[in-house]
Amino acid sequence: DTEVTQTPKHLVMGMTNKKSLKCEQHMGHRAMYWYKQKAKKPPELMFVYSYEKLSINESVPSRFSPECPNSSLLNLHLHALQPEDSALYLCASSQDRTSWEQYFGPGTRLTVT
Amino acid sequence: DQQVKQNSPSLSVQEGRISILNCDYTNSMFDYFLWYKKYPAEGPTFLISISSIKDKNEDGRFTVFLNKSAKHLSLHIVPSQPGDSAVYFCAALSGTYKYIFGTGTRLKVLA
Repeated sequence: DTEVTQTPKHLVMGMTNKKSLKCEQHMGHRAMYWYKQKAKKPPELMFVYSYEKLSINESVPSRFSPECPNSSLLNLHLHALQPEDSALYLCASSQDRTSWEQYFGPGTRLTVT
Repeated sequence: DQQVKQNSPSLSVQEGRISILNCDYTNSMFDYFLWYKKYPAEGPTFLISISSIKDKNEDGRFTVFLNKSAKHLSLHIVPSQPGDSAVYFCAALSGTYKYIFGTGTRLKVLA
């Protein structure tokens, strides 16, 4: 099983809402990542979790709050987002933080109204 | 400042011919490169990789070439098939975990 799953596929939220994105993998990977991709742009790294601990935060605003409850799950909690946060949010995983191959999920298309 | 560039936003190729996708980078410290393929409504799928100690890596119909002196890599697909139609991203490894992605090239293989 080389699948990374993400839910929901699509999400529309207002600027005062609180919502969460979920990511799951069962490959035994110990590193998980959140990326943000705007239209016609490459994915940009947001966060890296290594062995369930946040190891990298790429200067992401605090309205994005990641959480790794266990080695298979990764959440991204959203609060007070802005319309410019509308994007495709991609989750990825790799064997560990030093592994060079990352496996991506299908993404969640987020629209902030 | 775009450290990884794919200067061709799109490419059309006839089925059965060779597709060549190009990628240029600026940071000579990058030591590992990957190509990803992305279909609409899906996440990027790993395709092939190359370490900076090599100049070529081949996997079936896909070959990646690396020219370190020119800071250039290319992906060759031979023969091209309609199912290869997708957006292709090259990515360079910065440090131990962070990939810098190019802007992507949309390949269309015509039947």
